[in-house]
Amino acid sequence: NAGVTQTPKFQVLKTGQSMTLQCAQDMNHEYMSWYRQDPGMGLRLIHYSVGAGITDQGEVPNGYNVSRSTTEDFPLRLLSAAPSQTSVYFCASSRALAPNVPDNSPLHFGNGTRLTVT
Amino acid sequence: GQQVMQIPQYQHVQEGEDFTTYCNSSTTLSNIQWYKQRPGGHPVFLIQLVKSGEVKKQKRLTFQFGEAKKNSSLHITATQTTDVGTYFCGNYGQNFVFGPGTRLSVLP
Repeated sequence: NAGVTQTPKFQVLKTGQSMTLQCAQDMNHEYMSWYRQDPGMGLRLIHYSVGAGITDQGEVPNGYNVSRSTTEDFPLRLLSAAPSQTSVYFCASSRALAPNVPDNSPLHFGNGTRLTVT
Repeated sequence: GQQVMQIPQYQHVQEGEDFTTYCNSSTTLSNIQWYKQRPGGHPVFLIQLVKSGEVKKQKRLTFQFGEAKKNSSLHITATQTTDVGTYFCGNYGQNFVFGPGTRLSVLP
C-alpha cells in the first residue's frame, strides 16, 4: 500500500519557469490538499479538494493552480516560479472531511517535495 | 478556516524532563487533531479528540481537550530523544488548518 506519493522529491527552478508537482493516493480518499512549509514555519494550506471535479483555495493560493480530474490525483501547478515559492510542499489526503463535525478522518501525508527557486 | 495558536514556539528540555504544548482557539472547536513531524520528515497523525474534557493516553503521551472545547494540550512524561520533532495541532473548520507548531528539542 503506497499511501500518498509525491514526485519529484527535489526540484530546482529558475525564476519564471513553470512546473507541476504530482500527488497521487491509492486509498480512495475523497479529500486532498496541498500545504507549504517554510523553514521553521508551520503548514500553510494552498488549495484543497473535497472530491473529483471540486477544488477550493486555502490560505496562500496565489501563484498556484490545481485540478482534480480523478479521485487519485491532485497535481499542483506553479505558473511562474518566484524565489518566494522556495519551500517544502506536502500533499495530504483523508477519507472524507466535513466542516465542523466532531469526528473527522486523519490526514495522510506524502513525503514532500523540496523546491528551490533561484 | 479557524485559527489555532500554539505555545510555546520552541521548547528545549533535558532528557527525562516532562514537556507540554498548548493549543488555543478563540472559538469552539468541533474536534482537535495532533500530529508529530520528525526533522526532515512529514507530519504523522497521533490522535483525535472530540468530546469536551476528553483525555486520551498513548504510552508517555497524554492528550486533553478542554471543557469549553477551545483549547487542548499534549503532555509528554519523561521525554526521550525519540520525542524530538515539531508537534502540531489542527482542526477542520471550513478546511483543515494547523497551528504553528511547537518544536521540541531533547538534550541527552
